[in-house]
Amino acid sequence: NAGVTQTPKFRVLKTGQSMTLLCAQDMNHEYMYWYRQDPGMGLRLIHYSVGEGTTAKGEVPDGYNVSRLKKQNFLLGLESAAPSQTSVYFCASSYASDRTPYEQYFGPGTRLTVT
Amino acid sequence: DAKTTQPPSMDCAEGRAANLPCNHSTISGNEYVYWYRQIHSQGPQYIIHGLKNNETNEMASLIITEDRKSSTLILPHATLRDTAVYYCIVRVASFQGGSEKLVFGKGMKLTVNP
Repeated sequence: NAGVTQTPKFRVLKTGQSMTLLCAQDMNHEYMYWYRQDPGMGLRLIHYSVGEGTTAKGEVPDGYNVSRLKKQNFLLGLESAAPSQTSVYFCASSYASDRTPYEQYFGPGTRLTVT
Repeated sequence: DAKTTQPPSMDCAEGRAANLPCNHSTISGNEYVYWYRQIHSQGPQYIIHGLKNNETNEMASLIITEDRKSSTLILPHATLRDTAVYYCIVRVASFQGGSEKLVFGKGMKLTVNP
């Protein structure tokens, strides 16, 4: 199993450009998440999905959109990149919980710089 | 906001046990304590979790106080590869559609020295 993979690993954008980050998981997980991590900080949740075709806002959703057209993929879009979106982006996935929340598995991250 | 408090950093000698403390004085009855770590800007890695009882797995042990207001993660024989930022997180147990999200604080930097 590859686990959680992210594409691309690195990207440099100019202000105003758009891009899509791809997250894929092969563990048949129901839930998927996008986080961002700024230098010296913990991770903050951007958007998440509890199933194919469903998405919801997290803590810092402004400036981002997401889509979950297939269960194994979760896309994060930046329509008009801003320097404030320079960050490391992590995707994660987990099983749907019943009474115990399951652990999240994280991808290796995408390092995005917006100039 | 993170519901846990950890010291910012800690050192440990290689081969010794590393005891990482965490305070979660406002924890609710249905909240679990989770530990993750992040090695050198890689994606966070799950370590262990618990509700009331002490837990042990191949990576670590988790000791939760009887009043559940604090816990300690124990790495029994720390190695240089355990140098990382460790995050203590509380999570709601019941399915609420969005409650699975993890709230990360700044964590605690553990440095294992040779």
